[in-house]
Amino acid sequence: QQQVKQSPQSLIVQKGGISIINCAYENTAFDYFPWYQQFPGKGPALLIAIRPDVSEKKEGRFTISFNKSAKQFSLHIMDSQPGDSATYFCAARGQGAQKLVFGQGTRLTINP
Amino acid sequence: DTAVSQTPKYLVTQMGNDKSIKCEQNLGHDTMYWYKQDSKKFLKIMFSYNNKELIINETVPNRFSPKSPDKAHLNLHINSLELGDSAVYFCASSQSGGSNGYTFGSGTRLTVV
Repeated sequence: QQQVKQSPQSLIVQKGGISIINCAYENTAFDYFPWYQQFPGKGPALLIAIRPDVSEKKEGRFTISFNKSAKQFSLHIMDSQPGDSATYFCAARGQGAQKLVFGQGTRLTINP
Repeated sequence: DTAVSQTPKYLVTQMGNDKSIKCEQNLGHDTMYWYKQDSKKFLKIMFSYNNKELIINETVPNRFSPKSPDKAHLNLHINSLELGDSAVYFCASSQSGGSNGYTFGSGTRLTVV
């Protein structure tokens, strides 16, 4: 049972472009939606997170858009740079739950 | 200072052996986790401990046994290793269920031959 579905599996963007990764969830009890960035040989690192009471959160070049009625959220990376090349994971946590459920991951490549 | 450290980083072993992975966090977090990342990069929770108490035990074979001697340490012991156990195992920690995110270790790549 995949509770968080992420797309695309892989994405290639030119330097300076906008990278967009999408996630959809089914469980309306989820109350916390983080994005993680993982470089090869490293553990996932928290990038940015949002709660369902806001529709957008921006931190530098990274923005989360959240659509509660559609049960979807997305990560936008503006002015994408080669250093952004990594695997990105969306995740969700249920209210009162003690675990994060992850999406399948998106391998992002930024071409110089 | 490494916030969540795992040892060893690499582990190559034969089928049928028993091995352990150790994890320590110096963040003062009260909850620790083991996640398994398979060859397709999918991250799946295995176990979670809160203040040394087991709170999550997903459908993991009972050959896997976690142990938390104190809230800063969480170890994973695996008996009778199988080829399918080959994966990267990540330890993570959080405060109060993770509402401010998890901090992951750098992983242990386990290869069973």
